[in-house]
Amino acid sequence: AQSVSQHNHHVILSEAASLELGCNYSYGGTVNLFWYVQYPGQHLQLLLKYFSGDPLVKGIKGFEAEFIKSKFSFNLRKPSVQWSDTAEYFCAVNARQGAQKLVFGQGTRLTINP
Amino acid sequence: DAGITQSPRHKVTETGTPVTLRCHQTENHRYMYWYRQDPGHGLRLIHYSYGVKDTDKGEVSDGYSVSRSKTEDFLLTLESATSSQTSVYFCAIRGGVLNSPLHFGNGTRLTVT
Repeated sequence: AQSVSQHNHHVILSEAASLELGCNYSYGGTVNLFWYVQYPGQHLQLLLKYFSGDPLVKGIKGFEAEFIKSKFSFNLRKPSVQWSDTAEYFCAVNARQGAQKLVFGQGTRLTINP
Repeated sequence: DAGITQSPRHKVTETGTPVTLRCHQTENHRYMYWYRQDPGHGLRLIHYSYGVKDTDKGEVSDGYSVSRSKTEDFLLTLESATSSQTSVYFCAIRGGVLNSPLHFGNGTRLTVT
């Protein structure tokens, strides 16, 4: 079974700082990788996804993530954060077969101070 | 946004009462999922469906049942609600194309007193 670990529970940054949120997964087979964002009081929205090809994927709102297969990692980055990036971020993985049930990490709460 | 409607949006109920949450989609997607979200746990899969009348358990299925009698509706039932089932419940859908991402509804906040 898959599992996902997000190392940072709560990250606090100032505007314009650079961001990197860690995500590691455990699974023996081929996976798809995702980052979702949840703004306060809202549902989850897809930030970006990786299925295959270029391990550096770009998503919405200036976010990107790099898949490093040897490290089972899929870290999320943004060069310069904004106050509007305050949200909770979830890394998720599914096996590339069957019902493709999505398994989530615990989430990282990001607070951006103006 | 994907056409997903969850009802009710908020519910307060007493321990021991039955509760049914509804997820309705207008996308004609094959796969539907119920997750619960709790602080420190992220989202955990309760049950999912891969077609009409085809359902299976997720990682936290105890105390929950589901039904899908038509493509557009996926019902989650708590037969006898307990305080540990106080949570935010999210429905998600996915099309049948391999590797298509999940799209989430707005959630139902359930409080069991």
